[in-house]
Amino acid sequence: KQEVTQIPAALSVPEGENLVLNCSFTDSAIYNLQWFRQDPGKGLTSLLLIQSSQREQTSGRLNASLDKSSGRSTLYIAASQPGDSATYLCAVITGANSKLTFGKGITLSVRP
Amino acid sequence: DAGVTQSPTHLIKTRGQQVTLRCSPKSGHDTVSWYQQALGQGPQFIFQYYEEEERQRGNFPDRFSGHQFPNYSSELNVNALLLGDSALYLCASSLVPGGSSYNEQFFGPGTRLTVL
Repeated sequence: KQEVTQIPAALSVPEGENLVLNCSFTDSAIYNLQWFRQDPGKGLTSLLLIQSSQREQTSGRLNASLDKSSGRSTLYIAASQPGDSATYLCAVITGANSKLTFGKGITLSVRP
Repeated sequence: DAGVTQSPTHLIKTRGQQVTLRCSPKSGHDTVSWYQQALGQGPQFIFQYYEEEERQRGNFPDRFSGHQFPNYSSELNVNALLLGDSALYLCASSLVPGGSSYNEQFFGPGTRLTVL
């Protein structure tokens, strides 16, 4: 059974810091991994998708890496801003068209 | 291009009642998945619909059922509501199969269900 872990559950940083959010998964036979952002009480916004054959993806100030063999992914946020405050969730798909298995998320607070 | 839409936004029901939630997928998508997100938790997979059939199901009781229509929109029905069914219900759509965006899932804003 696939399990996804995100530690710590919450993180508070001053504005301008570069930061790394971690995600680990137990079954390395994933099809892809997706990072999402969720604002309080809202739906999920897809940030980055990394397919199993890829090592990283970049979008603006965000960079996500994937190491399937060790069961890890990281989301790097450069020059954090207060508007980055949200919960960040990672999720994996094991098998084509299968369900997303989510971690519990990391709640990020960026202090002005 | 409209993204994934869900209705209603909020819903309040009492124990034992039945509820129907609705979802329209992103334009061009043909697969709809439903997730339940309790407060402080990650979303949990309920089921997935493709070609009007339930293709996969998570660990949810038969009180949870669904339907997909020919236009790919979908409904989630929950019978005999329990207090524990209070959650944010999220709908996601994806394209089967596709190019570089293969299997990327896009979520709607969710329906907040409160059971009293």
